[in-house]
Amino acid sequence: DGGITQSPKYLFRKEGQNVTLSCEQNLNHDAMYWYRQDPGQGLRLIYYSQIVNDFQKGDIAEGYSVSREKKESFPLTVTSAQKNPTAFYLCATKPTPFGNEQFFGPGTRLTVL
Amino acid sequence: AQSVTQPDIHITVSEGASLELRCNYSYGATPYLFWYVQSPGQGLQLLLKYFSGDTLVQGIKGFEAEFKRSQSSFNLRKPSVHWSDAAEYFCAVREAAGNKLTFGGGTRVLVKP
Repeated sequence: DGGITQSPKYLFRKEGQNVTLSCEQNLNHDAMYWYRQDPGQGLRLIYYSQIVNDFQKGDIAEGYSVSREKKESFPLTVTSAQKNPTAFYLCATKPTPFGNEQFFGPGTRLTVL
Repeated sequence: AQSVTQPDIHITVSEGASLELRCNYSYGATPYLFWYVQSPGQGLQLLLKYFSGDTLVQGIKGFEAEFKRSQSSFNLRKPSVHWSDAAEYFCAVREAAGNKLTFGGGTRVLVKP
């Protein structure tokens, strides 16, 4: 069954703790993206990766970190430096970096207490 | 920098009535334009896209959109809405030679019986 998996769907953490969100894909897509969604603000790009072992900052990278050690996986770590981490996080992929369509995962809702 | 504006935060429409969602973009050259739909708590699904050619594009679920260069707009329409069209809709723009999407703030559509 092909697709993008984000786990868990709901995540709760205490303030000051780092937390890692998972994004896995078996579509064999080269490019992967992380977005943050807040009400009324649309989606904002956190980080993206066009190939394995390479990634670039998006518009709101502060307080986040990523790795791309495998083509299938692009985990996002929300660090304690992120001042307002409670949000809905979406992972997306594209077949090639300059391809035309992004495919989205189901998202993870992170709540920091 | 490119930007996308969706002027309507919420729209309520009766089932069977027509729907039009507005999208305005700011970008120097001809952009690539997209409309996505998001059901509550889910990822985004591509409705349609415009790259070049015919300015009226057809998408899935009976949606269409028209690109108007003179107005920098890419409005989404559906002649007759169904209760299942209740969702949030996002307009997005990408540079033709770029690899990142910029999203509007979204329009939430409520469908009355």
